[in-house]
Amino acid sequence: QKEVEQNSGPLSVPEGAIASLNCTYSDRGSQSFFWYRQYSGKSPELIMFIYSNGDKEDGRFTAQLNKASQYVSLLIRDSQPSDSATYLCAPRLGAGGTSYGKLTFGQGTILTVHP
Amino acid sequence: DTAVSQTPKYLVTQMGNDKSIKCEQNLGHDTMYWYKQDSKKFLKIMFSYNNKELIINETVPNRFSPKSPDKAHLNLHINSLELGDSAVYFCASNPSLTGFGYTFGSGTRLTVV
Repeated sequence: QKEVEQNSGPLSVPEGAIASLNCTYSDRGSQSFFWYRQYSGKSPELIMFIYSNGDKEDGRFTAQLNKASQYVSLLIRDSQPSDSATYLCAPRLGAGGTSYGKLTFGQGTILTVHP
Repeated sequence: DTAVSQTPKYLVTQMGNDKSIKCEQNLGHDTMYWYKQDSKKFLKIMFSYNNKELIINETVPNRFSPKSPDKAHLNLHINSLELGDSAVYFCASNPSLTGFGYTFGSGTRLTVV
């Protein structure tokens, strides 16, 4: 089983729709969860993080976390063509042990928002 | 002023050569990382330094050797380059081990021919 699983897509949504991106992780010791956006040929940029069960909203983005189900998702409301990118999910273990707080990335979901 | 800068941006070299990639951050962060992104866009950690100390050394061939002369710099030296080393290498920094979210450099696209 992969440590972090995302549907690679591509996920295609029309402009103005809600895009739903999902991620499951295997390590129950994961404590915080990050979503990065990566445009083609560019570096990943942080858009959201969440560490408590439930929802966290920031503008058009909502992250949802369910630790019991080992599931984290990202919703993008009112999707725009400029949201077209690869979205990377990255759980993080605690700083203790041998993980030293490293991020483990999923393979990413390609999102395409068409006008 | 770029927060995390990597040089060079592109590197094309022949098999068997030795090359280095440099990374510098001006954010005052304590922790720096090297990640490799392969052709399938999978980002995998290679190394991490915290205050110049190597703390993460994933299963990476020993042809790869990181060096951190101070906490603002993390370089990657690769000996005897192989075709499979072709990838994009990203440097990243974090305020601390538990800081919220990395800042990535712009990446170095390495092509071994």
